[in-house]
Order: sequence, then structure tokens, then C-alpha cells
Amino acid sequence: DIQMTQSPSSLSASVGDRVTITCRASQSISSYLNWYQQKPGKAPSLLIYAASSLQSGVPSRFSGSGSGTDFTLTISGLQPEDFATYCCQQGFSTPPTFGQGTRLEIK
Amino acid sequence: QVTLKESGPALVKPTQTLTLTCTFSGFSLTTSGMRATWIRQPPGKALEWLARIDWDDRKYYSSSTSLKTRLTISKDTSKNQVVLTMTNMDPVDTATYYCARSSIAARPYVFDIWGQGTMVTVSS
Repeated sequence: DIQMTQSPSSLSASVGDRVTITCRASQSISSYLNWYQQKPGKAPSLLIYAASSLQSGVPSRFSGSGSGTDFTLTISGLQPEDFATYCCQQGFSTPPTFGQGTRLEIK
Repeated sequence: QVTLKESGPALVKPTQTLTLTCTFSGFSLTTSGMRATWIRQPPGKALEWLARIDWDDRKYYSSSTSLKTRLTISKDTSKNQVVLTMTNMDPVDTATYYCARSSIAARPYVFDIWGQGTMVTVSS
């Protein structure tokens, strides 16, 4: 199975900040990388798919980049509602696997 | 509007079989490219993919040695339901279980819509 490693595991930031979360795959996954946001007690919600495609309805302050093994999620201009956990997921091969998550907290 | 909702017992005993039902609306699992997936999340832990069923009834399962022989996924298109059964439940199977949809034909593992999840506790 492909291992997905996120960094950092937690992050403190302020409203208005720009933050970047990194995800690394244990082997090349081309652009088969998705990002999800999860708030406490809620289901994950798709933000970015195919490494850089913004899911319909997701604000444009979210962006994704990367290919191969290294990927980033960037949030430009943090809003109060963005404080949540973010996780990456590879969809290159079965089984799909998830990163352990990055918890974004208010500084 | 696309929705999915999981249902099933909140508490099961060790060695019992768990049956979870995902009831969905707003799409059909007979439409080419549509897929439904079960994913779970133990408390405070990462998401774990369990199984997938496609519009053409192809099925895929976790490669985990502790899971793959215990899982069965099926669908009832007349009821718009997907069912997951997991045999021989153990306390380590305590988790929130989610069903999710994939609708991009070329990207079977993009989970664009999720159910709210159902918490299952395994305890005697």
C-alpha cells in the first residue's frame, strides 16, 4: 500500500495568514492526490482533487499543487471557518490511503 | 441534491457481524462511472478505506489482512442502498463509519459527497 505522510501534524495560525500543508507519497502517484477538510464531529469534505482542481463550491483561497510524490495545500488568507483538520489522500491505486491529518488551530 | 446517510447499530458485541446500510439520493448507482465506498475513522485516528462498489457491480476491498476476509459490500439499486457487512467484530473496529460517493469516471477514488457517518462501538 502507498503510505501518505503529512507535515506538520499541527499548525497554529492567525486569521488572514497564508498557510501551507505538505503531503508526501511513498511512491509516485502522478496527480492522483486529493485534499479534504474535516471539522470536529463532521464528515470530511472534498476541497481539491487531482492535485490542483478546486471542487465546486470551495473558496478560491484554497489551492493545491504538486505531482509525483510531493504535494502542497495552500490556504491564502485564513478565515475563521478554515480552522479544521486537513488530510490528503492518494487515489492512484487500490487501496486508496489517507494521510494522518494536519490540525490547523487558531493562534 | 446528493445525499448519503448511514444507518446501523451503535453497539455490537465482539464476534458479532456488523451490517451497515448507506441510503442515498440524488444519483443512481446504475449510472456509468458512479461508485460508492465505505471508509472508517477510529476515534482520534486517520481515515481508513474499506470497500468500494461500482455501477457495474465490480467490488474492491481493503488489502488489510485483518479486514479483507471479513468484508462484503453489495448494492440494491431499487432501494438506492449500499450495504457493508463486517464479520467477527472486535473492539479495534470501534470507529465512525462513512459512506461516500465517487462520480468522476476516470478518478474512482475522489470522494465528492460523504454521509454524516455512524459511530459503531464494539464492546461486550
